[in-house]
Amino acid sequence: ETGVTQTPRHLVMGMTNKKSLKCEQHLGHNAMYWYKQSAKKPLELMFVYSLEERVENNSVPSRFSPECPNSSHLFLHLHTLQPEDSALYLCASSHSATGERYEQYFGPGTRLTVT
Amino acid sequence: AQKITQTQPGMFVQEKEAVTLDCTYDTSDQSYGLFWYKQPSSGEMIFLIYQGSYDEQNATEGRYSLNFQKARKSANLVISASQLGDSAMYFCAMRDGGSYIPTFGRGTSLIVHP
Repeated sequence: ETGVTQTPRHLVMGMTNKKSLKCEQHLGHNAMYWYKQSAKKPLELMFVYSLEERVENNSVPSRFSPECPNSSHLFLHLHTLQPEDSALYLCASSHSATGERYEQYFGPGTRLTVT
Repeated sequence: AQKITQTQPGMFVQEKEAVTLDCTYDTSDQSYGLFWYKQPSSGEMIFLIYQGSYDEQNATEGRYSLNFQKARKSANLVISASQLGDSAMYFCAMRDGGSYIPTFGRGTSLIVHP
């Protein structure tokens, strides 16, 4: 399998549930990202990992908990979510060298609905 | 601080015609990179084209070209010979030389009419 994969593609969960989103990249990249994309809102960067260390956390509520066990896998653990957390969650990867053109490669996203 | 502005929330174009999607940026860095991504209704963001701040020529990738005007801080995407499959959201993004993390604009919705 190539590129960036995300599972599940669709998820419906209640506010009291706990679930996890999974992202896997097969591109040899060393940086991975979680983005949230809500309707009518700009793309929001949530978390960035480089070489398995979290390098950015943009004031994301603690009900979202990321995990990066190795450079190929990224998880987003979800618990006690709110209806406003319903969105498309996109995972991306890239090289993490600065001063280069390295573009991001995105997965197909997980469409999350919180009921 | 970086800032990316896409002023066109929606654009319409006839099939086979060319269309320009606007993007302006604001940065105090001399070294930076500019990207365009396409997001079809399926959701996946697809990288289209890249322009480096020191590149003297405008980038081209097939039917996509980037009209880079450094003094005006604009990086417009030109799609030639539009196809129905070009209907999607298009995002402009910028990364400065000291970071690998890009900033995205709000996007422009493009609809191609037959």
